[in-house]
Parts: sequence; C-alpha cells; structure tokens
Amino acid sequence: AQKVTQAQTEISVVEKEDVTLDCVYETRDTTYYLFWYKQPPSGELVFLIRRNSFDEQNEISGRYSWNFQKSTSSFNFTITASQVVDSAVYFCALSEGTGANSKLTFGKGITLSVRP
Amino acid sequence: ETGVTQSPTHLIKTRGQQVTLRCSSQSGHNTVSWYQQALGQGPQFIFQYYREEKNGRGNFPPRFSGLQFPNYSSELNVNALELDDSALYLCASSSAGANVLTFGAGSRLTVL
Repeated sequence: AQKVTQAQTEISVVEKEDVTLDCVYETRDTTYYLFWYKQPPSGELVFLIRRNSFDEQNEISGRYSWNFQKSTSSFNFTITASQVVDSAVYFCALSEGTGANSKLTFGKGITLSVRP
Repeated sequence: ETGVTQSPTHLIKTRGQQVTLRCSSQSGHNTVSWYQQALGQGPQFIFQYYREEKNGRGNFPPRFSGLQFPNYSSELNVNALELDDSALYLCASSSAGANVLTFGAGSRLTVL
C-alpha cells in the first residue's frame, strides 16, 4: 500500500526567509509520480509540481525548487524568499502507475504561515 | 477556459439524510475524481469516472455513489448521512492519459 508522510504540521516563517517542506513516501511500484499541491483558504487544491520516478533531476522553477531522492524516498519542496501570499496548506501526494486512472494518495499537509 | 466548478459550496444536513453534490469538469477534460477531506487531513480518494464508467474506487462504503454524464459533469451521492461524513468534498478533473488533476473549490458538508 502506498503512503505519504508529512512529519511537519505547521511552519511559521518571516517574509523573505527560505522554507523547506518535507515529504517521505512509501510504494512498492517502480513507476510512480510525486506531486506538490497548495491549498489556500479558498479551498481548491492548486497543482505546483510533478516528478516521475525515473527522473531524479532536481529543478528550480522561479522561487520553487524540489529535491527528489529515491534512496531515501523523499520529495522535499523549497520556497525561496517566501512571501505572505505563500501562506497556505501544502500537500505532498503520490500516484502509482500512469495515466488518468491512477488515484492520488495525499499526506496530511503542512500549514505554512508567512509573517510580514 | 473555465476551471472545475462545484455546487453547492456549503450545505448542512442531518444524520440519516441524503445529499447530492455536483461538479462541472474543466473544458476538455473527460475524467472526474472525487475526494473527501476531513478537517485537518489530506484528501482521500472516493472514486473516479472516465467517460461515464467508474474507473477506480477508494475505501468508502456503498453509501457513497456517483455518476458521470455525457458532458463529463458528475454527481456524488451520499445516503444515510453520518456525523463523520462532515467534510470538504473535492472534485477534480483531468484529460485522458494525464494525472495532473485540476481541483474545484469543494463543497463543505456539515452533518448534524
């Protein structure tokens, strides 16, 4: 069975600080996808990033970057120079297999508060 | 391009009643998934529909049912409501072969 663990529950930072959100996953599949979603107070989940299990290359996209390490089953997400608008709940999710018929397993989420 | 829209946004029911939640998928998407998000928890997969056929189901009792219409919109029905059914119900759509989901803002159900 697949499982996603987000050990951090709440993080509070001051604006312009860097913040890293941790995610550890469990799966028996060799083919899977990892995601980060953001949930602002309005409720909808907003897609941020996706990586597949065959691509461990870490990338930077604007203020976002991620560190995918299969050896430790971790998929951490970093926000550089945080802003107040980054305040939200962040979910890490795992999808086994490929295609639209694969369900997402979410972690419990991390509440990020960015103070001005 | 319109996103995923859900209705109603909020509703209150009493235990034992039935509820129907509705979802309009994003233009061009033919797959709809439903998730339940209890307070302080991550979303949990209920089921998915692809071209009007159920295409996977999570660990939810048969009281939770749904359907998808020819225009790819969808309904989630919950019978015999229980207090633990109080949650945010999220609908998400995607196109065939894609696993990036576009979520709606959800329907918040309170069962008293």
